[in-house]
Amino acid sequence: NAGVTQTPKFRVLKTGQSMTLLCAQDMNHEYMYWYRQDPGMGLRLIHYSVGEGTTAKGEVPDGYNVSRLKKQNFLLGLESAAPSQTSVYFCASGGQGGKNIQYFGAGTRLSVL
Amino acid sequence: GENVEQHPSTLSVQEGDSAVIKCTYSDSASNYFPWYKQELGKRPQLIIDIRSNVGEKKDQRIAVTLNKTAKHFSLHITETQPEDSAVYFCAASPGSFTLTFGKGTMLLVSP
Repeated sequence: NAGVTQTPKFRVLKTGQSMTLLCAQDMNHEYMYWYRQDPGMGLRLIHYSVGEGTTAKGEVPDGYNVSRLKKQNFLLGLESAAPSQTSVYFCASGGQGGKNIQYFGAGTRLSVL
Repeated sequence: GENVEQHPSTLSVQEGDSAVIKCTYSDSASNYFPWYKQELGKRPQLIIDIRSNVGEKKDQRIAVTLNKTAKHFSLHITETQPEDSAVYFCAASPGSFTLTFGKGTMLLVSP
């Protein structure tokens, strides 16, 4: 039981490049989330999903897209990376048993030059 | 939407002292209040949570109190130890299975 797994762990992009971050969970959770963490800003919700095939916008969705084609996977895409998207990205899952406890992945550190 | 304010941003204590971190929230519909601990370079991990029908909850050296009328909740850590050093985040949920986080408190416990 690995919990929540994020890939890659580190990535460096040039401005304008695209990439996809992958999140996988093996806890059969209905809900999945993508956050970004910046110094002094806490964890800010980018997008989330309440089930397979659904997505919804969070607090800071601009410049990101997501997809949840399978219940266990939640993808975060950056179509044209900008330096302002340099951050640590965390995926989380939860919602089991009607509880909104969230379990986090180890994070992806992204630098956009 | 929900807004969560957290204070202080940094807190330094001596080993054995108590530490208190306070949060306020804006949405009266919020009914779930977790606290997460994040050690340097690690993922956030849930340490304790409280629901709106409870005023206080304890788990060994940590406790959380909730005042719904005033819309604030607090984390209390007693007999602090160096391994308590970390960033602590409070959060509030209006029942939509999303969380709004505070900006975090860096707790430093000196031996």
